[in-house]
Amino acid sequence: AQTVTQSQPEMSVQEAETVTLSCTYDTSESDYYLFWYKQPPSRQMILVIRQEAYKQQNATENRFSVNFQKAAKSFSLKISDSQLGDAAMYFCAYRRIQGAQKLVFGQGTRLTINP
Amino acid sequence: DAGVIQSPRHEVTEMGQEVTLRCKPISGHNSLFWYRQTMMRGLELLIYFNNNVPIDDSGMPEDRFSAKMPNASFSTLKIQPSEPRDSAVYFCASRGWTGITYGYTFGSGTRLTVV
Repeated sequence: AQTVTQSQPEMSVQEAETVTLSCTYDTSESDYYLFWYKQPPSRQMILVIRQEAYKQQNATENRFSVNFQKAAKSFSLKISDSQLGDAAMYFCAYRRIQGAQKLVFGQGTRLTINP
Repeated sequence: DAGVIQSPRHEVTEMGQEVTLRCKPISGHNSLFWYRQTMMRGLELLIYFNNNVPIDDSGMPEDRFSAKMPNASFSTLKIQPSEPRDSAVYFCASRGWTGITYGYTFGSGTRLTVV
């Protein structure tokens, strides 16, 4: 079974600084998707970024980028120029390409932005 | 589209009572997922449906939990009888074409408190 591990329950960063959230996963599949979701206090789950495992290029969405290391099964999220609105729980998630469509989530990292 | 609609947003019930959570997926999405979120266990998949058919219910905790999807626009998650350990936030999500790609859309969740 696939598992996703986020080893940092909490992180904090100064506004305008850069922070990196860690995620590792375990799978025997060669092709899959990886995601980062943001959950603000409103509880809404918001997709931040998505990475296809067959793509070597790291995904980027504005201030958000990932460092995808397939051999190491590592998928970290970098947030540049942190803003107060970035404060939230962040979840790393995995999904197989073939077969089951379910998302497998990590435990989450609570990110605090200090003004 | 109004997104995935869940009701109620909050539910407080007494131990032993029946609880029914409701979900309306996005029109045209053919997969529906029920997740439970707790501090201890994070986000766990309870069950998911493809084209209204249950595909994987291995995450349903026990016989007290049941889920139905009688048509493409409605699903319920029922707990009978409820217990204090069922207290959690329950999310419904649907998957389908978002206008840009295939993706998941989550509802705002139902916070269930069993006293």
